[in-house]
Amino acid sequence: DTGVSQDPRHKITKRGQNVTFRCDPISEHNRLYWYRQTLGQGPEFLTYFQNEAQLEKSRLLSDRFSAERPKGSFSTLEIQRTEQGDSAMYLCASSPTNEQFFGPGTRLTVL
Amino acid sequence: GQNIDQPTEMTATEGAIVQINCTYQTSGFNGLFWYQQHAGEAPTFLSYNVLDGLEEKGRFSSFLSRSKGYSYLLLKELQMKDSASYLCAGRGTGGFKTIFGAGTRLFVKA
Repeated sequence: DTGVSQDPRHKITKRGQNVTFRCDPISEHNRLYWYRQTLGQGPEFLTYFQNEAQLEKSRLLSDRFSAERPKGSFSTLEIQRTEQGDSAMYLCASSPTNEQFFGPGTRLTVL
Repeated sequence: GQNIDQPTEMTATEGAIVQINCTYQTSGFNGLFWYQQHAGEAPTFLSYNVLDGLEEKGRFSSFLSRSKGYSYLLLKELQMKDSASYLCAGRGTGGFKTIFGAGTRLFVKA
């Protein structure tokens, strides 16, 4: 399968814990996006990478969220000191130009 | 601002044609996307319009009017499998930030 992959698919954590998600984009795509989606809503933009450079980051993100793409290939999204409001589906997408290819997402539940 | 508005739900009959509208603030975006999302799955790309006019791709067509801040997705010969959420999304003028609307849930009935 050469699509976008995300790991883990599901994560249950306790409030206050740190979590890290991984995204492996389609290999030739230099653009990578992270989104958060809650039930009944569209994906909410979190951040954008072009190769290893993080070029845009949502102002909605608190300092508890950080993302990296160290070698311009896979990316990680870390959430520190999780809160119950962080419970959502975290989606990664990669893109060669305009069309974005989404991964299956990581569903986070914060207890 | 960067608001995107689309109806919450629509219902249509199998075999019919349905038009899903999307409006947005013209100053905020450069290009409009449409994505389809089935329940429990990730969004999949349908279309991208950057110029005014209609673009047809099989049973799906997408229209954009930049001056009016208006787009629509037209689905022809509806099938039951078309029951899904349809997401309108705008590309921000400042870069590659993509803003999604809340989505329109389409129910196709027999």
